[in-house]
Amino acid sequence: AQSVTQPDIHITVSEGASLELRCNYSYGATPYLFWYVQSPGQGLQLLLKYFSGDTLVQGIKGFEAEFKRSQSSFNLRKPSVHWSDAAEYFCAVVLNTGNQFYFGTGTSLTVIP
Amino acid sequence: GAGVSQTPSNKVTEKGKYVELRCDPISGHTALYWYRQSLGQGPEFLIYFQGTGAADDSGLPNDRFFAVRPEGSVSTLKIQRTERGDSAVYLCASSSQGREETQYFGPGTRLLVL
Repeated sequence: AQSVTQPDIHITVSEGASLELRCNYSYGATPYLFWYVQSPGQGLQLLLKYFSGDTLVQGIKGFEAEFKRSQSSFNLRKPSVHWSDAAEYFCAVVLNTGNQFYFGTGTSLTVIP
Repeated sequence: GAGVSQTPSNKVTEKGKYVELRCDPISGHTALYWYRQSLGQGPEFLIYFQGTGAADDSGLPNDRFFAVRPEGSVSTLKIQRTERGDSAVYLCASSSQGREETQYFGPGTRLLVL
């Protein structure tokens, strides 16, 4: 079955520390890949996306993600976390032949001073 | 311009009742998506419109769920004979064309079925 896995339900990091959120997918072909952030009281916001080409993509708010075909992964990273980054993060995929987006279950990020 | 808006923001209904949830996409966006998000879960795809037509409704859980977009802008998600399991946040998103374009999400409608 097609799936998107975010193995970390909750992560806590100190402000200024680096961050990596994991995402793995299970599809026959390389899908289009996305990371969204959902802050309390806010709608989902796109951080970055990958379709093809350079496997390291830059997004908004200083985030980046790396696509690794061999690992079926698309991990999100940030070198230095800010307190305002505390939110829920979702990885999502869509097949390049379809329109149905599949979201992971999300990773909740807590930032401590 | 204005973002995606959804009304009502909250809806409480009784089991068996009919509800309508409205989505106003960003002006000019031809693609519109409906999702359902249960507590502790990611959004679950329900239906995708391109213009007035439902291009993909494979995510609708059963025939109690139906959505329309008669003029290619506003969309209404309709749920008949609501069940307690329908309680969730219903999200709407729009994009300028389709899957390669950025989806802009609305704030959602929180539906509670008693």
